[in-house]
Amino acid sequence: AQTVTQSQPEMSVQEAETVTLSCTYDTSESDYYLFWYKQPPSRQMILVIRQEAYKQQNATENRFSVNFQKAAKSFSLKISDSQLGDAAMYFCAYRSGVEYGNKLVFGAGTILRVKS
Amino acid sequence: DTAVSQTPKYLVTQMGNDKSIKCEQNLGHDTMYWYKQDSKKFLKIMFSYNNKELIINETVPNRFSPKSPDKAHLNLHINSLELGDSAVYFCASSRNRGQVTDTQYFGPGTRLTVL
Repeated sequence: AQTVTQSQPEMSVQEAETVTLSCTYDTSESDYYLFWYKQPPSRQMILVIRQEAYKQQNATENRFSVNFQKAAKSFSLKISDSQLGDAAMYFCAYRSGVEYGNKLVFGAGTILRVKS
Repeated sequence: DTAVSQTPKYLVTQMGNDKSIKCEQNLGHDTMYWYKQDSKKFLKIMFSYNNKELIINETVPNRFSPKSPDKAHLNLHINSLELGDSAVYFCASSRNRGQVTDTQYFGPGTRLTVL
């Protein structure tokens, strides 16, 4: 079974600075997908960024980028120029191929606090 | 024009009651899901339906019964509610084409409190 580990229960960052959230996963599959979701206090789950395992290039979405290390099974999220609105719980998630039902396996989450 | 909607958003009920949570998506997706988020914020898949057919059932007690009248709706019925059922329940939907763009879009969640 696949597992996802987020080793940082909480992180803090100063506004306008950069922070990196860690995520590691365990799988025997070669083809899969990885995601970061954000959950603000409103509890809405919002997709931040996604990565296909067979793509070497790290995904980027504006201020958000990932460092995907397939051999190390690591998928960290970097947030640049942090803003107050980035404060939320961040979940790393793994998804198998369609033959496994597309289910997402989530990490335990990291609370990100942004200081002004 | 909400993509994935759930009703109700809050549900407070007594132990032993039966309750339902409704979910609808207007994205034209083939697959719908129910996730449970416990008090420690841990999110876990419960069920998945693809075109009204059950494809994932993650060892959930059989007091929980999903029902999909059509591919735009996936309702969750819970019998004989227990204190441990208190959680936030999220509905989600996605396409099902084996692509990274099969992103799951989540509803706003239903906070269930069992007294």
